[in-house]
Amino acid sequence: QVQLVESGGGVVQPGRSLRLSCAASGLTFSSYGMHWVRQAPGKGLEWVAVIWHDGGNKYYADSVKGRFAISRDNPKNTLYLQMNNLRAEDTAVYYCASGDPFDNWGQGTLVTVSS
Amino acid sequence: EIVLTQSPGTLSLSPGERATLSCRASQTVSSNYLAWFQQKPGQAPRLLIYGASTRATGIPDRFSGSGSGTDFTLTISRLEPEDFAVYYCQQYGRPPRAFGQGTKVEIK
Repeated sequence: QVQLVESGGGVVQPGRSLRLSCAASGLTFSSYGMHWVRQAPGKGLEWVAVIWHDGGNKYYADSVKGRFAISRDNPKNTLYLQMNNLRAEDTAVYYCASGDPFDNWGQGTLVTVSS
Repeated sequence: EIVLTQSPGTLSLSPGERATLSCRASQTVSSNYLAWFQQKPGQAPRLLIYGASTRATGIPDRFSGSGSGTDFTLTISRLEPEDFAVYYCQQYGRPPRAFGQGTKVEIK
């Protein structure tokens, strides 16, 4: 079965950087567009970014544009999210999800931005 | 950018009752690329419906989706105890892949 496993979350100070990873198995990773979605504590879902199956196109939510970068390594079946200049409002559980629609999700990794 | 507005914010119902959740888009959702997700506390969201009306794999037939253009509905015909959760609609026709703000279905 499909498994998406996020890692790399933790506590980080405002202005610092963090890189999240999402390891995929059970699917032909290189055939799927991949997304990052986040959820702040007690809040709803917020789509963050998408990368096409071949990495050829990337789109971002306005709230992270210019600070976050999505990338992928297809031979390694891994999706990444480089998060720079982090703010308190970036505190959330970050999920990776596959495809359109989002038919598979990881369990999420918590990022806490706090001094 | 398409904005999705869900109503009501909270729905208080008893097991066995029918739930009707609404999702309205600020612009036409292309090709009915509208999905519904269920999320329970501490869990990742789960895809229920895609293409506005197609049930995802393993989803019980008490869940149904309808609508087109800018108005969409998720109906749960008879609520089971495990159906009390938060439900989100989402358009996946174009970036950004906006979500609605969610409807909480709670036990009355």
